[in-house]
Amino acid sequence: DAKTTQPTSMDCAEGRAANLPCNHSTISGNEYVYWYRQIHSQGPQYIIHGLKNNETNEMASLIITEDRKSSTLILPHATLRDTAVYYCIVRGTGGFKTIFGAGTRLFVKA
Amino acid sequence: EADIYQTPRYLVIGTGKKITLECSQTMGHDKMYWYQQDPGMELHLIHYSYGVNSTEKGDLSSESTVSRIRTEHFPLTLESARPSHTSQYLCASSAGAGRNYGYTFGSGTRLTVV
Repeated sequence: DAKTTQPTSMDCAEGRAANLPCNHSTISGNEYVYWYRQIHSQGPQYIIHGLKNNETNEMASLIITEDRKSSTLILPHATLRDTAVYYCIVRGTGGFKTIFGAGTRLFVKA
Repeated sequence: EADIYQTPRYLVIGTGKKITLECSQTMGHDKMYWYQQDPGMELHLIHYSYGVNSTEKGDLSSESTVSRIRTEHFPLTLESARPSHTSQYLCASSAGAGRNYGYTFGSGTRLTVV
C-alpha cells in the first residue's frame, strides 16, 4: 500500500469547518483513500473512503484531487468531540502492510 | 455496536506470566490483524492473517504468537510477559473482496506488565 503524508497537528475553532489534508503521490489506480480517527486510546474508527469521486456521509466529506495524489477530509462543523488523531491511508485489495503513520492530531477549541 | 470484540480491555500481569489476548469478529472477514501502539505513537503491524491456518509476521518484530483456527477468532499469545511488552494491542479485520477493504478495529487491550 502507498504511503501518505499528513501534517502533524492542526487547530480548528468549534463550529468551523476542519479541513485535513493528505498527500498520497504514489497511489496506484486500484487503491482507495481511507480516513480513520482515533479518540484517546480507543481503536481507530472508520470515517469515510473513496476512489476518485468526492464522497460525503453523515460524518464528513472527502475531496480527492483529479490526479488522486492528494485528498482533503472535511468536518463541516467541528465540535470539541472531534478532537482526535486522524489517519489517512491508501489501501487496495491485496494490501496487508498498510502504514498508518502518525496521522494529524486535530485540536478543536471552544 | 461493535462487530469486533477484544478482551480483556485492561490487563495488569506479572513478569513471566503467559497471557492470551482475545479477538473475535462477527463479520465473516477473511483478513485479520494485530497492531501494537504505545501512547501517542504510531500503530505498528505485528501479525496478520489471510484466513484460516494462515498467519504472517508484520513489520514490527514481536515476541508474541498468533493462531487462526476459525475465521472469526484471532488470539494473540505471549508465552512469558515482560515489562517491554507493556503497550496497547489493537485487533482489526477487513473484507477480502468487495468495494470496502477498510479496517474495522476493536477497542483494544491495554497491557501492563509489572
